[in-house]
Amino acid sequence: NAGVTQTPKFQVLKTGQSMTLQCAQDMNHNSMYWYRQDPGMGLRLIYYSASEGTTDKGEVPNGYNVSRLNKREFSLRLESAAPSQTSVYFCASDPRGTPGEQYFGPGTRLTVT
Amino acid sequence: KNEVEQSPQNLTAQEGEFITINCSYSVGISALHWLQQHPGGGIVSLFMLSSGKKKHGRLIATINIQEKHSSLHITASHPRDSAVYICAAPVYGGSQGNLIFGKGTKLSVKP
Repeated sequence: NAGVTQTPKFQVLKTGQSMTLQCAQDMNHNSMYWYRQDPGMGLRLIYYSASEGTTDKGEVPNGYNVSRLNKREFSLRLESAAPSQTSVYFCASDPRGTPGEQYFGPGTRLTVT
Repeated sequence: KNEVEQSPQNLTAQEGEFITINCSYSVGISALHWLQQHPGGGIVSLFMLSSGKKKHGRLIATINIQEKHSSLHITASHPRDSAVYICAAPVYGGSQGNLIFGKGTKLSVKP
């Protein structure tokens, strides 16, 4: 049981490049989330998916898109990376979505130059 | 506007000390979450509580819903407790609730 996995662990992008962060969970959870964590700030919600086939914006969605490919996978895409998107990105899942206890992936450290 | 406030921001303790981390929130909630972020970055959920007290090993979490306040206590602290402790409260809107996170309390326990 791997829990929540994220790839890649580290990434450096140039301004304007695009990339997709991958997240998968093997716990059969309904809800999945993408957060960003910046120094001096709490985790902030970018997008979430309450169930397969649905996605909704969180607190800071601008510059991002998501896809809930199936129940296991939830990807986050940066279409045109900007330095302001330099951050650590965490994916999480939750069996209930009300929200209950969340299980976090190990994070992706992204630097945009 | 962050509706979940933690104190202190940083805390240094000697091994064996009793530690208290506080969390105040301004929204009505059904439950409050405590999480731990390891120095390597990984985040794990410690507690989810809606009333009273919960205990897990040397960690104790309490909540007072009327006063909108929760505390996380660590008894007989150990250097391996060094981490960032984060509280989070669900805020409901739309079809489901989402968590609002405090900025975290960085704990360092010295041997």
